[in-house]
Amino acid sequence: QKEVEQNSGPLSVPEGAIASLNCTYSDRGSQSFFWYRQYSGKSPELIMFIYSNGDKEDGRFTAQLNKASQYVSLLIRDSQPSDSATYLCAVRSTGNQFYFGTGTSLTVIP
Amino acid sequence: GAVVSQHPSWVICKSGTSVKIECRSLDFQATTMFWYRQFPKQSLMLMATSNEGSKATYEQGVEKDKFLINHASLTLSTLTVTSAHPEDSSFYICSARDESGSGNHIQYFGAGTRLSVL
Repeated sequence: QKEVEQNSGPLSVPEGAIASLNCTYSDRGSQSFFWYRQYSGKSPELIMFIYSNGDKEDGRFTAQLNKASQYVSLLIRDSQPSDSATYLCAVRSTGNQFYFGTGTSLTVIP
Repeated sequence: GAVVSQHPSWVICKSGTSVKIECRSLDFQATTMFWYRQFPKQSLMLMATSNEGSKATYEQGVEKDKFLINHASLTLSTLTVTSAHPEDSSFYICSARDESGSGNHIQYFGAGTRLSVL
């Protein structure tokens, strides 16, 4: 079982819709959770991180964490074509190891 | 957010030559840096963890004699691809872990280096 699992997609949503990206992790004691965005040919950039159960909002982005279900998600409201990218979920585990998912490819259709 | 500078951004070299890539954390100290490789349309692959003042930890299957890592200061790690061959052509990305402040230990990425070996 991989440490961090993501659906590779591709996920397609129309412009203006909500895009929902999901991630599960195996280490129940994991402490911090991160979402990165990676455009084609570029390196990942941090969008947001969350470490407490519940929701964390930043502009059009909302991260949701459910430690009981070992599940973290990223919602993108009012999706724009510029949001088209691969989204990487990352988890800092109990051993202070940092694990990345393989990423979900998102396409926002104008 | 914090800034990690990676240089060069693109390098083309002849087969058999060595190439050095630098990774610097500009506004924080990083005892731990990471080197990744990414082939087109594939996910990040961790190559090694670079620890300041000690030997790097390499992932299984990564040749430590081919990919030399030096982390001589708290703000600089270098990756040297020795005797590069065309199969080493890839996108190399470094990241640095910010261990200050809140303790979330966020990893920030450099812009990446595209290596093309002819």
